[in-house]
Amino acid sequence: DIVMTQSPVTLSVSPGERATLSCRASESVSSNLAWYQQKPGQAPRLLMSGASNRATGIPDRFSGTGSGTDFTLTISNLQSEDFAVYYCQHYNNWSLGTFGPGTKMEIK
Amino acid sequence: EEQLVESGGALVKPGGSLRLSCVGSGFIFSDYNMNWVRQAPGKGLEWISSIRRTTPHTYYADSMGGRFTTSRDNAQNSVYLQMSSLRPEDTAVYYCARSQDFMPIDSWGQGTLVTVSS
Repeated sequence: DIVMTQSPVTLSVSPGERATLSCRASESVSSNLAWYQQKPGQAPRLLMSGASNRATGIPDRFSGTGSGTDFTLTISNLQSEDFAVYYCQHYNNWSLGTFGPGTKMEIK
Repeated sequence: EEQLVESGGALVKPGGSLRLSCVGSGFIFSDYNMNWVRQAPGKGLEWISSIRRTTPHTYYADSMGGRFTTSRDNAQNSVYLQMSSLRPEDTAVYYCARSQDFMPIDSWGQGTLVTVSS
């Protein structure tokens, strides 16, 4: 299985600032990379597909870049509702793949 | 309203079996591949399996060790996860989720809790 890693494990950021989250795959996943946000007690929510395509309803404060093995999720002008855990995941034509271990974003 | 609702979570003894169900509504169920994802308490997300929308092809994470079987019944708008030889480390919230070809999950159920303990 492809192994996904994420860094940092925890990110402390102040509201209004920008956060940069990283995700790395053990081998190329092309652009088949998704980002999800999960808040306590809730199911995850899709933020980004194809590494850089925002899902429906996701504000343009969220942006994604990367292809191959290295990916970045950037969140600008952090709002209080953005403090959550973020996961990356690779996917294939008809199935999903492994998730990264997550990055917890907390208020500084 | 598009919805996925899981059921079947329970307390089960180690070595036991359990079948989870998930019913979709508000969308054309057979248009979507269906997936199971779990999350142990305080831990991250773990993909379990995917089943294609109109064929019986299924895909499993190697880490499940062949103990889990996923099936679907499009006539009943349902997908199932049959789990056997359960271990304490299988304790988790199990989510049903849908995806389309060449796309990641776009909708999740609320999850159902499976607890494996003697």
